[in-house]
Amino acid sequence: EAQVTQNPRYLITVTGKKLTVTCSQNMNHEYMSWYRQDPGLGLRQIYYSMNVEVTDKGDVPEGYKVSRKEKRNFPLILESPSPNQTSLYFCASSLRAIGVTYEQYFGPGTRLTVT
Amino acid sequence: QKEVEQNSGPLSVPEGAIASLNCTYSDRGSQSFFWYRQYSGKSPELIMSIYSNGDKEDGRFTAQLNKASQYVSLLIRDSQPSDSATYLCAFIYNAGNMLTFGGGTRLMVKP
Repeated sequence: EAQVTQNPRYLITVTGKKLTVTCSQNMNHEYMSWYRQDPGLGLRQIYYSMNVEVTDKGDVPEGYKVSRKEKRNFPLILESPSPNQTSLYFCASSLRAIGVTYEQYFGPGTRLTVT
Repeated sequence: QKEVEQNSGPLSVPEGAIASLNCTYSDRGSQSFFWYRQYSGKSPELIMSIYSNGDKEDGRFTAQLNKASQYVSLLIRDSQPSDSATYLCAFIYNAGNMLTFGGGTRLMVKP
C-alpha cells in the first residue's frame, strides 16, 4: 500500500530534550516536506527536500533540522525543543516538486507536546 | 510573505444545499491552486486542483478560479453530513517548491 508513515504519532517531552520524528514514504517520491499545524494558522511549511541531499527552508524553519540521506526517509529533528514547538506535525511527499500536477500525500500526523 | 485568506467559519448548511467556500491569495505569480479536505484529527487530503481561470467540476465539487481578482472558491453541491470537515485552500509559489495554505474553513452540514 502506497503511504507516508510517521513515528511516533504522539509524543510528550520536556524542554531541551532532543527528539527526532521519522517520516518514510514507499512511493519513490522525490519531494518531501514537513509542516506544522496550529489552530487558526493552517499548515505552515518547515523544511522541504527536492531530492536526496537537497533540503531547503520553508516558512518556519527556526528550531528544526532535517536530513535526506535516503530517498524514502526525511526525519525532522528538534535539537532543543521549546514549548512553542508544541504542535501537530505532518510529513508529506509528492512525485516531483515542479510540474503541473502537484499532489502531496500526507502522513497521519505527529502530535507533539513540549512541557 | 505569501498569504492565503479564508473565513474560519463555521459555515453551516443544511443537507442537500450548496456549500460555498472562498479563498483569496496574495501572490499574483501563482499558477496552481488546490483544495484540501481535513477531517478532525486526520491528515489533509486533496480534493480539487485548478490551474486556469474558470470552473472545474468533479462530481459534486466545482472549483472556480479568478486570477485577476486573486480569488478561488469551492462549491459543494448536494451537501452531505459526511462533507463536514475543514477545507483548506493552498497555492504553489517559489517556482513550485513550496505550498502555502490558508487557515481553513470549517464546514458543518446539518441533517
